[in-house]
Amino acid sequence: QKEVEQDPGPLSVPEGAIVSLNCTYSNSAFQYFMWYRQYSRKGPELLMYTYSSGNKEDGRFTAQVDKSSKYISLFIRDSQPSDSATYLCAPKENMRFGAGTRLTVKP
Amino acid sequence: GAGVSQTPSNKVTEKGKYVELRCDPISGHTALYWYRQSLGQGPEFLIYFQGTGAADDSGLPNDRFFAVRPEGSVSTLKIQRTERGDSAVYLCASSATGTGRGEQYFGPGTRLTVT
Repeated sequence: QKEVEQDPGPLSVPEGAIVSLNCTYSNSAFQYFMWYRQYSRKGPELLMYTYSSGNKEDGRFTAQVDKSSKYISLFIRDSQPSDSATYLCAPKENMRFGAGTRLTVKP
Repeated sequence: GAGVSQTPSNKVTEKGKYVELRCDPISGHTALYWYRQSLGQGPEFLIYFQGTGAADDSGLPNDRFFAVRPEGSVSTLKIQRTERGDSAVYLCASSATGTGRGEQYFGPGTRLTVT
């Protein structure tokens, strides 16, 4: 079993939609989680990170961790075509990435 | 300032050949990481350097893979006797002292094709 599982999608939404991207993890010792965005043929770039349980908001992005269910979410409000990319999650403790979810936002 | 750079951007080699991939981290970053990414997959961890030493090399798939960072800056990933299954994008990342394994800044990658 991989330490982080992520639905690879692809996920396609219309512009302006609210997007929910999710990961599950197996190791209850993980405290910090990172979200990276990767455009096609580019390296991943850090979007945001969150600690333990609760929400963290940054502009149109909200990261949420539910430790009881070992579930991590990234919400994108008012999605834009420029948000089209692959979104990767990883625990900060070991940086083992999930498979990534490919998102397309259609104008 | 300059980000992480990787050279070459593309490398095509024949099965059985030896290749070297280079990573120049962000100036002052003491931690350096190598990942391998296959199509449709997330980056797969290979090795992590803190300074000159490999702090975690548990991701190296076999002894054909080796990485060095002799002066604590530039790193070279070396692959011997390449196989077609080694074809992937090899990503390098760096992070500053004290930030742990997170907040990594990635380079654009080297696309390796083994024919």
